[in-house]
Amino acid sequence: DGGITQSPKYLFRKEGQNVTLSCEQNLNHDAMYWYRQDPGQGLRLIYYSQIVNDFQKGDIAEGYSVSREKKESFPLTVTSAQKNPTAFYLCASGGNVNTGELFFGEGSRLTVL
Amino acid sequence: KQEVTQIPAALSVPEGENLVLNCSFTDSAIYNLQWFRQDPGKGLTSLLLIQSSQREQTSGRLNASLDKSSGRSTLYIAASQPGDSATYLCAVNNYGQNFVFGPGTRLSVLP
Repeated sequence: DGGITQSPKYLFRKEGQNVTLSCEQNLNHDAMYWYRQDPGQGLRLIYYSQIVNDFQKGDIAEGYSVSREKKESFPLTVTSAQKNPTAFYLCASGGNVNTGELFFGEGSRLTVL
Repeated sequence: KQEVTQIPAALSVPEGENLVLNCSFTDSAIYNLQWFRQDPGKGLTSLLLIQSSQREQTSGRLNASLDKSSGRSTLYIAASQPGDSATYLCAVNNYGQNFVFGPGTRLSVLP
């Protein structure tokens, strides 16, 4: 079944801890993205990667880190430096650069206690 | 910088009505525009993708149009059903791979 898999679906974290959200795709897409969604706000871009071993900061990268060691995987680490990490995190991937259609995973909800 | 707005923010209609959701953007230099549906607590589901050279796309009861010169797109839903209740988002794909999303329109279709 082709698609994007995010895990875990729900995650609770104590203040001061780093957590890593997983995103795996089997769509053979080159581009992958991480977005953050807060109530009443639109999606905001955290990081994106257009090719393996390369990634760029989005609009709200502070307090986050990513890696792209494999085409299929784009994990996001929420570090203790992120001041307000409680949010819904969405991973997406896109294939052709010109057509640019985006496909999303089911999301991961992070709650900081 | 590209800005995307969606009107109305929320909409409630009785079942069977035809309805139009609006999406406006400030910079017409786009690759394409994509409409999504999001159910509560879920990810986004792609509905329609319109390339910059196209005027409209259709899928079942959905029809999306694009007018780049005026910076507008509309999503038309025919014969609405309670199952259409969700938040609908548009996203504009600017040259350079950065998608910009609108805040969404929350639709409720009442039985």
